[in-house]
Amino acid sequence: NAGVTQTPKFQVLKTGQSMTLQCAQDMNHNSMYWYRQDPGMGLRLIYYSASEGTTDKGEVPNGYNVSRLNKREFSLRLESAAPSQTSVYFCASTGGGGEQFFGPGTRLTVL
Amino acid sequence: KNEVEQSPQNLTAQEGEFITINCSYSVGISALHWLQQHPGGGIVSLFMLSSGKKKHGRLIATINIQEKHSSLHITASHPRDSAVYICAATPWRGSQGNLIFGKGTKLSVKP
Repeated sequence: NAGVTQTPKFQVLKTGQSMTLQCAQDMNHNSMYWYRQDPGMGLRLIYYSASEGTTDKGEVPNGYNVSRLNKREFSLRLESAAPSQTSVYFCASTGGGGEQFFGPGTRLTVL
Repeated sequence: KNEVEQSPQNLTAQEGEFITINCSYSVGISALHWLQQHPGGGIVSLFMLSSGKKKHGRLIATINIQEKHSSLHITASHPRDSAVYICAATPWRGSQGNLIFGKGTKLSVKP
């Protein structure tokens, strides 16, 4: 089992460019999450999906959109990247037990 | 005031020392999580507990529900324990599994 996978691992964008971060899990988990991690701020929830077909905003959703493509995949899209979105992005999933499993992260720089 | 507070923010120890990291929370919770993040690395779940104590190797996590406090102990610390340790809580209030994170404790163990 690969657990939670994310692509890409690194990305550099120019202001205004768009991109999609991909996340997939092979643990048959219902819930999936996107977080961003910034120095001194800790992890903050961007969007989550409690089950296939549903998505909800978290603490910092502005500038992002998400798609829960199927039970396995949950993507995060930046339509028009801004320097304030420079961060490390983590995807996570959880099953009925409540423990969250994290992907390896995507380090995004917006110039 | 953050709903999950950790102390200390930074901790430096000598190899072999006993280490304690503290976590206090102000909301009702169904579970308390301890996570580990090595420099430049992903996030790994160490413990999830709702009462009492759990032990895994040299790591011990305890929780006192009445006092809304949890501790992570590392016995016989080693340089490879150097990492950021993150406390997170699953609140009771309809969270759908969402976690509230502390800002982390950066541990450095010197040889």
